[in-house]
Amino acid sequence: ELVQSGPEVKKPGESLKISCKDSGDNFRSYWIAWVRQTPGKGLEWMGIIYPGDSDTRYNPSFEGHVTISADKSISTAYLQWSSLKASDTAIYYCARDFKDALDFWGQGTVVTVSS
Amino acid sequence: QSALTQPASVSGSPGQSITISCTGTSSDVGSFNLVSWYQQYPGKAPKLMISEVSKRPSGISNRFSGSKSGNTASLTISGLQAEDEADYFCCSYAGSSRLVFGGGTKLTVL
Repeated sequence: ELVQSGPEVKKPGESLKISCKDSGDNFRSYWIAWVRQTPGKGLEWMGIIYPGDSDTRYNPSFEGHVTISADKSISTAYLQWSSLKASDTAIYYCARDFKDALDFWGQGTVVTVSS
Repeated sequence: QSALTQPASVSGSPGQSITISCTGTSSDVGSFNLVSWYQQYPGKAPKLMISEVSKRPSGISNRFSGSKSGNTASLTISGLQAEDEADYFCCSYAGSSRLVFGGGTKLTVL
């Protein structure tokens, strides 16, 4: 099971780090993806990380604006921003990637960025 | 890369069958047998219904089936039930560890 951190309300320009904790035993052995959902653009794959060695791949549309990381010692993946924009307002999901399908999903973290 | 193309909405009566299409390109759907489908209820996380074009995860009803021809994948739901009313998203591997989603289809059970 993937359990995500709670909702966040931030101002433009602020930083944020949200988390995704795996309660299972195999966190190091599979890829974790981050997916953004907005009413206007639907679901968007942001990137993926392999916690075992922190190998990370990004969607070019998000690279440079977000950072994906993981701490395998506590079975937790992270998604962070150094400077939020209003357009980052969305629901963010983490999900396990198994053979390029997302078979287990977190409950989602609602991020609201507003002045 | 651009999102995969799905119809915005489809509808059907209980007991009928419906098919949702998902059109990509030769760089994603057409190149890999790695199309997946997700069901999403309002306010809930997506749920995997089909992987690798046509494989059903454990616990998914055999009323759900997937197929692919060229650059277009399809999800068919047979014996439509009221509980099937939800949003459905397709997704394809697009190379270099990337996934691309469709825009989503709202299924209405009449």
